Amino acid sequence: GENVEQHPSTLSVQEGDSAVIKCTYSDSASNYFPWYKQELGKGPQLIIDIRSNVGEKKDQRIAVTLNKTAKHFSLHITETQPEDSAVYFCAATILTGGGNKLTFGTGTQLKVEL
Amino acid sequence: GAVVSQHPSRVICKSGTSVKIECRSLDFQATTMFWYRQFPKKSLMLMATSNEGSKATYEQGVEKDKFLINHASLTLSTLTVTSAHPEDSSFYICSARGFSATVPNEKLFFGSGTQLSVL
Repeated sequence: GENVEQHPSTLSVQEGDSAVIKCTYSDSASNYFPWYKQELGKGPQLIIDIRSNVGEKKDQRIAVTLNKTAKHFSLHITETQPEDSAVYFCAATILTGGGNKLTFGTGTQLKVEL
Repeated sequence: GAVVSQHPSRVICKSGTSVKIECRSLDFQATTMFWYRQFPKKSLMLMATSNEGSKATYEQGVEKDKFLINHASLTLSTLTVTSAHPEDSSFYICSARGFSATVPNEKLFFGSGTQLSVL
């Protein structure tokens, strides 16, 4: 089955700096890669996603890049703000007509310091 | 984005009692719902997958008689933790994927989670 590794487990940045979180996956058939932000005591919130037919996607300060050959994808947050502090999870799956299951990374605790 | 409502947000119960957690998709029809369990500072662990009108599919190691899942309609799934014990204390999260005019089928949306504490 799919295995997703995520690094780093913790990341501290100064406000205004950029943050990068990296994930690798094992199943070359995976074709959908979402990123979730989870605040303490809350459920994960989808912040951006990318399909395998696209190499990069951007939404304001957030971007995701995908390298299918190397089987890794990354989350980039620019101009970080204190409210970006949270746990971020990457995930991977193979989109099918059925209930495709997401395989999650182990999470990255991002702390944006003033 | 789509909204998934989960209730209750927090529940404390005595050992041996049963607890029901509800998960509703508010603005789209959820063909598939997933239930996760999350321990502190850990990733999400998939417990089961449920499709509307059919029996849930449980992940290996998850007791189906202990964690009863019902997905009776396209907008509601419930998880009942039967005869709860302290080791069942955890954060339970539901998620849903489905379809609507504005919700792509591949996107998975999560509820706000339920913190279960069994005394």
